[in-house]
Amino acid sequence: AQKITQTQPGMFVQEKEAVTLDCTYDTSDQSYGLFWYKQPSSGEMIFLIYQGSYDEQNATEGRYSLNFQKARKSANLVISASQLGDSAMYFCAMSPQYSGGGADGLTFGKGTHLIIQP
Amino acid sequence: EAQVTQNPRYLITVTGKKLTVTCSQNMNHEYMSWYRQDPGLGLRQIYYSMNVEVTDKGDVPEGYKVSRKEKRNFPLILESPSPNQTSLYFCASSPSSGPLTDTQYFGPGTRLTVL
Repeated sequence: AQKITQTQPGMFVQEKEAVTLDCTYDTSDQSYGLFWYKQPSSGEMIFLIYQGSYDEQNATEGRYSLNFQKARKSANLVISASQLGDSAMYFCAMSPQYSGGGADGLTFGKGTHLIIQP
Repeated sequence: EAQVTQNPRYLITVTGKKLTVTCSQNMNHEYMSWYRQDPGLGLRQIYYSMNVEVTDKGDVPEGYKVSRKEKRNFPLILESPSPNQTSLYFCASSPSSGPLTDTQYFGPGTRLTVL
């Protein structure tokens, strides 16, 4: 079974500072994917970034980067130069290895509520 | 515009009254899935479908049914809703039948309250 742990229920960060949101995971799969989603107060789930377990380089998407440390089983999200619009819930998730016998979808962490202060 | 749509967006109902939440995607995706989101629990998968007429249980399937008669539609059915099914529901789709490398695209969510 897969498990995602996000240990920061909430964070307050000053605008323009960099933010690191923690995510650790547990899986017995050799091949898997790691995702980060943003959920603003309006409720929709917005895909931010993806990292494959065999990708050697850390994923980056604009101001978002994923600090992937496979040996430590961590996949932290880094937001550079935070903005007021970054205030939201952030979810780390992982997908299982597709074995052909079924696909269980994404396993989510419980989320981190990030508040950016002016 | 490529999107996943859900209807209704908000629903208040009473215990035992059957309801259906529709989900439709216009991206020709094979894989579709339903999640529920509850405070402090994150999102949990209810059911998923790898293709037409192929559905399977996720982590929390009790009290729910689904069908996949067409590729684009994946309705969620609550035959006899109970208050513990009050939640925020998301439909999602992804291009292939395995989600390993494919992003799941989420619908806008349906907020359901069962009294």
